[in-house]
Amino acid sequence: EPEVTQTPSHQVTQMGQEVILRCVPISNHLYFYWYRQILGQKVEFLVSFYNNEISEKSEIFDDQFSVERPDGSNFTLKIRSTKLEDSAMYFCASSEEGGTQYFGPGTRLLVL
Amino acid sequence: AQSVTQPDIHITVSEGASLELRCNYSYGATPYLFWYVQSPGQGLQLLLKYFSGDTLVQGIKGFEAEFKRSQSSFNLRKPSVHWSDAAEYFCAVAPYGQNFVFGPGTRLSVLP
Repeated sequence: EPEVTQTPSHQVTQMGQEVILRCVPISNHLYFYWYRQILGQKVEFLVSFYNNEISEKSEIFDDQFSVERPDGSNFTLKIRSTKLEDSAMYFCASSEEGGTQYFGPGTRLLVL
Repeated sequence: AQSVTQPDIHITVSEGASLELRCNYSYGATPYLFWYVQSPGQGLQLLLKYFSGDTLVQGIKGFEAEFKRSQSSFNLRKPSVHWSDAAEYFCAVAPYGQNFVFGPGTRLSVLP
């Protein structure tokens, strides 16, 4: 069964550093998403992406964040100048139009 | 704005007992409805979903959920809980397949 994959599974970084979280969506999906889950809290929507542009973003997704689909298979989330409060589990998801979003296993980011 | 509530933060049941996890949503029309399960340190696994049609939907691992329009609810049930069901359960809504809004989650503990 096709699945969304994410790398790395864990990332530790120093405050102020840049990180790139990578996702490989399901191959025939055209809609891509990033969500964040701070430890012990609920999952929060960050951004959705379609046709090589952001279609919607939450107030969490400020100028520190950017997304990109650098090739036909990867979908990345870049966090510039990480802050302590960026420590969270980051989930990528993909879907067909109007369909179920399938989530990846997540990348646990720890900012020290 | 749409919202999802899960009134029970933590539920403990004995193995073999029945289970019901509550979910209520606030939205003008009937959105797509989902239940996800998250084991500690793991990603989100889709248990079941409701788009339209039969209001009782069957999912994986013996779970089912019933959509009740009059109550704006989508409660998750299982007739006999197994120890491996201990996890965090998230209800989510996606108005017409748009970005997900997650509930705060219900943590399920299972006693032997």
